[in-house]
Amino acid sequence: DQQVKQNSPSLSVQEGRISILNCDYTNSMFDYFLWYKKYPAEGPTFLISISSIKDKNEDGRFTVFLNKSAKHLSLHIVPSQPGDSAVYFCAALSGAGSYQLTFGKGTKLSVIP
Amino acid sequence: DGGITQSPKYLFRKEGQNVTLSCEQNLNHDAMYWYRQDPGQGLRLIYYSQIVNDFQKGDIAEGYSVSREKKESFPLTVTSAQKNPTAFYLCASSIRNEKLFFGSGTQLSVL
Repeated sequence: DQQVKQNSPSLSVQEGRISILNCDYTNSMFDYFLWYKKYPAEGPTFLISISSIKDKNEDGRFTVFLNKSAKHLSLHIVPSQPGDSAVYFCAALSGAGSYQLTFGKGTKLSVIP
Repeated sequence: DGGITQSPKYLFRKEGQNVTLSCEQNLNHDAMYWYRQDPGQGLRLIYYSQIVNDFQKGDIAEGYSVSREKKESFPLTVTSAQKNPTAFYLCASSIRNEKLFFGSGTQLSVL
């Protein structure tokens, strides 16, 4: 049973436009969420995170929104750049003592020049 | 400079053979992790270790073994009991349990 779902395997966006990547979760115990970016044959790199006490976190071109009632979060990239083309993983953590991140299956973003 | 080093980049396993993937970090992180990624799949946790000489099974530990004799090192052995070992293996470390820093991965294939 998938607790973190990224229902769009892929997304294509024109350069300069907004990219919106979505993530849904089912476990109400999740209280910390992270986004990772991954290029082929490389390890993921941390992008941005959000605690459940917030509904928005912004870092440059990247903003993550959290809707706890809908158990939904989204990553917005504005403006999108060709270098943003990668696979984006949503991940969730439950509780301060947990060491087990639960990852979604990822969304492959392609930014078209 | 600080980081996580995984070796080798590519590894081939013969039938019935055990192979060991290396993971070293010089970030002084207490926690270390092993994940497996299959095509079109998310990352699945194999084992993790919060401190030296202690480790816990993740979601898919069967057919794998680990050791944590030093803070810097967390090798993963893929045993012959792992019937479907072909995957991309990622090692990670963290100060606590939040932001993980990943290595560049090892692609394991079966001959």
